[in-house]
Amino acid sequence: DIQMTQSPSSLSASVGDRVTITCQASQDISNHLNWYQQKPGKAPKLLIYDASNLETGVPSRFSGRGSGTDFTFSISSLQPEDIATYYCQHYDNLPPTFGQGTKLEIK
Amino acid sequence: QVQLQESGPGLVKPSQTLSLTCTVSGASISSGSYYWSWIRQPAGKGLEWLGHIYTTGSTNYNPSLRSRVTMSVDTSKNQFSLKLNSVTAADTAVYYCAREPIEVVRGVKVGNCFDPWGQGTLVTVSS
Repeated sequence: DIQMTQSPSSLSASVGDRVTITCQASQDISNHLNWYQQKPGKAPKLLIYDASNLETGVPSRFSGRGSGTDFTFSISSLQPEDIATYYCQHYDNLPPTFGQGTKLEIK
Repeated sequence: QVQLQESGPGLVKPSQTLSLTCTVSGASISSGSYYWSWIRQPAGKGLEWLGHIYTTGSTNYNPSLRSRVTMSVDTSKNQFSLKLNSVTAADTAVYYCAREPIEVVRGVKVGNCFDPWGQGTLVTVSS
C-alpha cells in the first residue's frame, strides 16, 4: 500500500492567517491526490481533486499543488468556518489510502 | 443532487456479522461511470477504504480485510451493501458509503475520488 504522511498533525492559527499542510506519498503518485475537509460529526467533503483542481462551489481561498511524492494544501486567509480536520488521499492504485489528518484550530 | 444514506444495526455482537446498506437517490447505481464504496473511521482516528463495487457486481476489497468483507449490489432498489464477518471491537467505527468516479490509471480502473458521501452510521461491536 502507498503510505500518505501528512504534517503537521495539528495546527493552530489565527483568523486571516495563511495555513499550509503537507502530504508526502511513499512513492510517485503523479497528480493522483485529493484533499478533503471533515467537520466534527460530519462526513468528509471533497475540496481539491487531482492535486490542484478546486471542486465546484469551494471557496477560492483553498488551493493545492504538487506532483510526484510531495503535495501541499493551503488556505490563503483562514476563516472561522475552516475549523476542521483535513485529509489527503491518493488514488494512484488500489487500495486508495488517506493521510492521518491535520486538525486545524483557531488560535 | 446525488445523495447516499447508510442504514443498518448500530450494535453488533463480537464474532457476528456487520451488515449495512447504502441507498442512493438522485442517480442510478446502474450508471457505468462509478464505483460504489465503503469507508470507515474509528472514533478519533483516520479513514480506511474497505472496498467498492461496480453495477455488475464486480468488487475490489482492501487486502487488509479481504477475507472478511463481502459487498453486493441491488440495482432494482438502487442500493449496495456491506457485510463484514467475525467482527471484533476493532471494527467499531462510523461507516460511510460514497461514490467514486472511475478513471483508468496505468491501465487499471480506479475510483478517482470519493464524492458525495453518506452521512455515516456508527456501528459498535460489543456484547
